[in-house]
Amino acid sequence: EPEVTQTPSHQVTQMGQEVILRCVPISNHLYFYWYRQILGQKVEFLVSFYNNEISEKSEIFDDQFSVERPDGSNFTLKIRSTKLEDSAMYFCASRGGLAGLDEQFFGPGTRLTVL
Amino acid sequence: KNEVEQSPQNLTAQEGEFITINCSYSVGISALHWLQQHPGGGIVSLFMLSSGKKKHGRLIATINIQEKHSSLHITASHPRDSAVYICAVRKNTDKLIFGTGTRLQVFP
Repeated sequence: EPEVTQTPSHQVTQMGQEVILRCVPISNHLYFYWYRQILGQKVEFLVSFYNNEISEKSEIFDDQFSVERPDGSNFTLKIRSTKLEDSAMYFCASRGGLAGLDEQFFGPGTRLTVL
Repeated sequence: KNEVEQSPQNLTAQEGEFITINCSYSVGISALHWLQQHPGGGIVSLFMLSSGKKKHGRLIATINIQEKHSSLHITASHPRDSAVYICAVRKNTDKLIFGTGTRLQVFP
């Protein structure tokens, strides 16, 4: 069964460093998303991406964040200068988009720890 | 106030019990999702509903659009059902808005 994959599963970085979180969405899916979950809190939307551009972004997704689909398979989230408060679980999701109202499929997440 | 509220926040049950988790929302939606999050953190989609009722194995999800309410039922619960169950709604844009989750523990 096709699935969304994410790498790495756990990333530890120093405050101020740049990190890139990688996702491989389900093949042939058209819509891509990043969400995050701070420990003990609910999942929050960061950004949606379609047709090689951002469709929607939340207030959290400021200038420190960027997304890219550098090739036909990867979808990346870059945090330019990490802060302590960026420590969270980051989930990538994708959906096909061909059937109108269809499901989002989530990856296993990347746990980001900023020291 | 949260746009998506779940109850209860925590739930314990004995194996075999029938379980109900509730979700209320305060906004117009195009769809509602029930998701399962295991202790490792991964999120699995259980159901997506826009009306009526869906069943998958021992899981049943219902939604009442007029009352802005959905329920997730688990019949014949099992310890492997222990997880956090999350309700999330999709408004007129593409993003999901999540509830805080219900932590379920099923004891043998």
